[in-house]
Amino acid sequence: GAVVSQHPSWVICKSGTSVKIECRSLDFQATTMFWYRQFPKQSLMLMATSNEGSKATYEQGVEKDKFLINHASLTLSTLTVTSAHPEDSSFYICSAPTGSGTGELFFGEGSRLTVL
Amino acid sequence: QKEVEQNSGPLSVPEGAIASLNCTYSDRGSQSFFWYRQYSGKSPELIMSIYSNGDKEDGRFTAQLNKASQYVSLLIRDSQPSDSATYLCAVGQYNFNKFYFGSGTKLNVKP
Repeated sequence: GAVVSQHPSWVICKSGTSVKIECRSLDFQATTMFWYRQFPKQSLMLMATSNEGSKATYEQGVEKDKFLINHASLTLSTLTVTSAHPEDSSFYICSAPTGSGTGELFFGEGSRLTVL
Repeated sequence: QKEVEQNSGPLSVPEGAIASLNCTYSDRGSQSFFWYRQYSGKSPELIMSIYSNGDKEDGRFTAQLNKASQYVSLLIRDSQPSDSATYLCAVGQYNFNKFYFGSGTKLNVKP
């Protein structure tokens, strides 16, 4: 299957700092990437859809000024959690459809963020 | 009403048995249907995709789709303890620009 790489896999930061998470499609080009957040024992919650060359589309209730998304190229999307607070601690996962017409989504390994 | 509904479980089956996981969805325009497996602390991995009514088999896994009933299921034959995980049902829209996930069903396969 297609490979989506996410980095870092885990990060610990102090409250008030910003954290950047990268998501790369390694063997295909992704014009669209999806960012999810998952709290313990809960399902995936779509935060935003990242579109190459244009602004991201945020889901209702997700603060776009807090969760900055940049889709700089066809293989890279970044999520920056600005002024992180303990309540932002979560598992952040990116995914991308391969564009093969099957609609299959492949996920990155996820990034576990802990804000102290 | 949620877009995709799943029983949260846990569903417990003995090793070697058939595990049956079910999912319903609300949007009749949905075109693509997926089952993902997620181990604790890991990201989801794709198990099966299905696009047309009927059954699709891949090894021990069989996905079943009934668009009229807006129902999709996953059967796992000869369940193994390593199958113990949370199974997520996902439904995609016609142009694959939107995916909805169910809350997942936790499966426990007892040795």
